[in-house]
Formats: sequence, C-alpha cells, structure tokens
Amino acid sequence: AQKITQTQPGMFVQEKEAVTLDCTYDTSDQSYGLFWYKQPSSGEMIFLIYQGSYDEQNATEGRYSLNFQKARKSANLVISASQLGDSAMYFCAMREALTGGGNKLTFGTGTQLKVEL
Amino acid sequence: DAGVIQSPRHEVTEMGQEVTLRCKPISGHDYLFWYRQTMMRGLELLIYFNNNVPIDDSGMPEDRFSAKMPNASFSTLKIQPSEPRDSAVYFCASSPERNQPQHFGDGTRLSIL
Repeated sequence: AQKITQTQPGMFVQEKEAVTLDCTYDTSDQSYGLFWYKQPSSGEMIFLIYQGSYDEQNATEGRYSLNFQKARKSANLVISASQLGDSAMYFCAMREALTGGGNKLTFGTGTQLKVEL
Repeated sequence: DAGVIQSPRHEVTEMGQEVTLRCKPISGHDYLFWYRQTMMRGLELLIYFNNNVPIDDSGMPEDRFSAKMPNASFSTLKIQPSEPRDSAVYFCASSPERNQPQHFGDGTRLSIL
C-alpha cells in the first residue's frame, strides 16, 4: 500500500521568504506521480504542481517548485517569495493506479502554513 | 474555463433524511471522483467513474451511500438515510486522463444533526 508522510503539522514563514514543506512517500510502483494541493480556509482544493516518477527535471510552476529526490523518496514543495495569501493547508498526494484506469490520490495529513508580516 | 461545479456548498439536515450532492465535471474530462474529508480520516476516495461507468466503489462506507453518473456532465452522491457520522466535506474531482492531475470542486460541507 502506498503511503504519504508529511511530518510538519504547522509551519511559519515571514513574508517574502522561501519555505519548504516536506513530503516523503513509500511505494513499490515504478511509475507514479506526486501532487501538491493547497486548501485555503475557504475549503477548496487547488492543484499546484505535479511531478512524474520518470521526470528528470524538478517541476516548477511560478513560485512553486518541487524538490524531487527519488532515491530518498521525497517530494518537497518549495514556495519562494511567500505571500500572505499563501497561508493555507498544503497536501502532498501520490497517484495510485486503479483498475480500469484513473488514479486514486493518497493524501498526506497536510501542513498548515502561516505567512507572517 | 469553468471548473468542477458542486452543489450545494452547504447542507444541514436532520438524521434520517435523504441527502443528494451534485457535481458537474470539467467538460472533456473522462474521470470523475468523489472524496470525503474529515478531521479524523483526512481525504478518502469514495468512488470513481470512467466515461460515466462506476469503476471502483470500494471506498463507499456502506449501503446507505450510492453514486450515479447518468451522463458525462453530471453525477450525484446520495446518502439515505443520513447519520451524524456522515458529516464531512464531500469533494468531487475530475481529470481528463489517467495520469493527469485531478481538479477539485469547491466541496459540499454536510452537517447531519
């Protein structure tokens, strides 16, 4: 069974600083995908960034980048130049292939990020 | 482009009542997923559809839960009869292909009194 671990229940960062949110995973699959989602206090789930297990380059999307270290089974999210609007819960998730196609996302427990002035 | 649309955003009802949650996936997305989020269990997959066909419902907690997808643009999740322990946020998500990211709706916050 796949497992996602986020060891930081809460993080604080000052505005304009960079922050790294940790995520480690466990899987026996060779092909998998890793995702990060943001959930603000309003409750919606917002897709941020995706990394495939065969991707050689770390994924980047604007201020978000994914520090993918396959041998260590880690997929940390780096947010550069933090903004007050980045305050939210962040979930790491891993794709598990399902019968008939499609993916089941297995989610970590999340990290609550608070950006301070 | 319109995202995944869920309704209602909030639902409060008494135990024993029937509850119907609705979802409109992103046009062209072949996969539709229903998730439930609680403090105790986090985000859990309940059921998913591929081209309107239910593929895996092993996450549905019990027979009181049922889901349908009569066409490519509409799905429902029904709870009958509802119980207080069903209180949670229910998300619908869709993706165009197997390996593509899932895009979530805003969720339905369900409270069963």
